[in-house]
Amino acid sequence: SAVISQKPSRDICQRGTSLTIQCQVDSQVTMMFWYRQQPGQSLTLIATANQGSEATYESGFVIDKFPISRPNLTFSTLTVSNMSPEDSSIYLCSVVGHPYEQYFGPGTRLTVT
Amino acid sequence: AQSVTQPDIHITVSEGASLELRCNYSYGATPYLFWYVQSPGQGLQLLLKYFSGDTLVQGIKGFEAEFKRSQSSFNLRKPSVHWSDAAEYFCAVGPSILTGGGNKLTFGTGTQLKVEL
Repeated sequence: SAVISQKPSRDICQRGTSLTIQCQVDSQVTMMFWYRQQPGQSLTLIATANQGSEATYESGFVIDKFPISRPNLTFSTLTVSNMSPEDSSIYLCSVVGHPYEQYFGPGTRLTVT
Repeated sequence: AQSVTQPDIHITVSEGASLELRCNYSYGATPYLFWYVQSPGQGLQLLLKYFSGDTLVQGIKGFEAEFKRSQSSFNLRKPSVHWSDAAEYFCAVGPSILTGGGNKLTFGTGTQLKVEL
């Protein structure tokens, strides 16, 4: 399995600002995913990030709000832009290791005030 | 569209008692099935998975799950729960190789397990 780290682990941000979350993997992976877990709810896929191509966003998520970078095979960032309290969530990145198995980072707990 | 239902939001069991967490799915074909556990402040850890073959699969930490095609279910079980099992458990489904593969997972809403000492 892959070892995944995320930075920051948590943050409290002001409404209208942006936060960039980093995801680092200890091995090269093709596919990386970004999920959102709103309080008391399940995980919702935001986008799939493949190195060398534009991220693919799920319905309800747009690039202007959640721009993603994938500069290499071990790193990705997710930016939450122009934040509102509704963006308060845990954001998790994941990678595909063994075929069809996903491994998750520890998450970034974001609170927007 | 695919969906996953975990009907129990909260479950409380005594330490040493048996556990069963329910998961039902709606999918066009037999999907790949997963159970994840999320401890407080942690990411998700894969407990076990079903791809094909034997419908009873063993996972880590003494967990097992049984795939029942006729009931579209993939319930998680443990014969004797430990206090450290207190966590949130998520069932997830993904497309199998027979339906084109891919790695997009759909998660259930989770079951919060509390263990009484």
